Amino acid sequence: GNSVTQMEGPVTLSEEAFLTINCTYTATGYPSLFWYVQYPGEGLQLLLKATKADDKGSNKGFEATYRKETTSFHLEKGSVQVSDSAVYFCALSDRYALNFGKGTSLLVTP
Amino acid sequence: DGGITQSPKYLFRKEGQNVTLSCEQNLNHDAMYWYRQDPGQGLRLIYYSQIVNDFQKGDIAEGYSVSREKKESFPLTVTSAQKNPTAFYLCASSTRDTMAFGYTFGSGTRLTVV
Repeated sequence: GNSVTQMEGPVTLSEEAFLTINCTYTATGYPSLFWYVQYPGEGLQLLLKATKADDKGSNKGFEATYRKETTSFHLEKGSVQVSDSAVYFCALSDRYALNFGKGTSLLVTP
Repeated sequence: DGGITQSPKYLFRKEGQNVTLSCEQNLNHDAMYWYRQDPGQGLRLIYYSQIVNDFQKGDIAEGYSVSREKKESFPLTVTSAQKNPTAFYLCASSTRDTMAFGYTFGSGTRLTVV
């Protein structure tokens, strides 16, 4: 089935630093790609998505571009804030459900 | 407001007991899912249901059971056959077009065996 691999954390950044969290995928066909965010003790929230190659998803200053040639969907933000501290999950659609990466923990310090 | 409600938020189980986790949604979504989350392992699919009265096993269904008698509800039972049930359980729902819209998640139930 389809699968994603994302960089292991934890990632620790200072406030206002640039963020990149890498995500690559293996898939047959043309899956949709997603980034979810999880704050401590909570469920996951959809952050952004892209449904076809070259689409760029964006939300709350985060961006990711669906790159078919490199099978990637890296998450980026130009200037992180302390409130961005959370766990980030890359996911892609499989035949009947979404498959998730293992998550990358981000800690932003003042 | 529409959403998914999971209850209870915390649950303690003695060894050998069955427990049932509740998941209710008022989003009019057709599909519902149960995932298990363990530290460092991401989310693993337990069961999913695309329509009322029908459900399918996911990757780690052993020791779990579900029912889908109503569109709004998809309860998960953790049976005594599940040898390592301590985990964070997440319920999600989606329209039939999961590829376009993704999931809406509940806030989770943390199950601990005591």
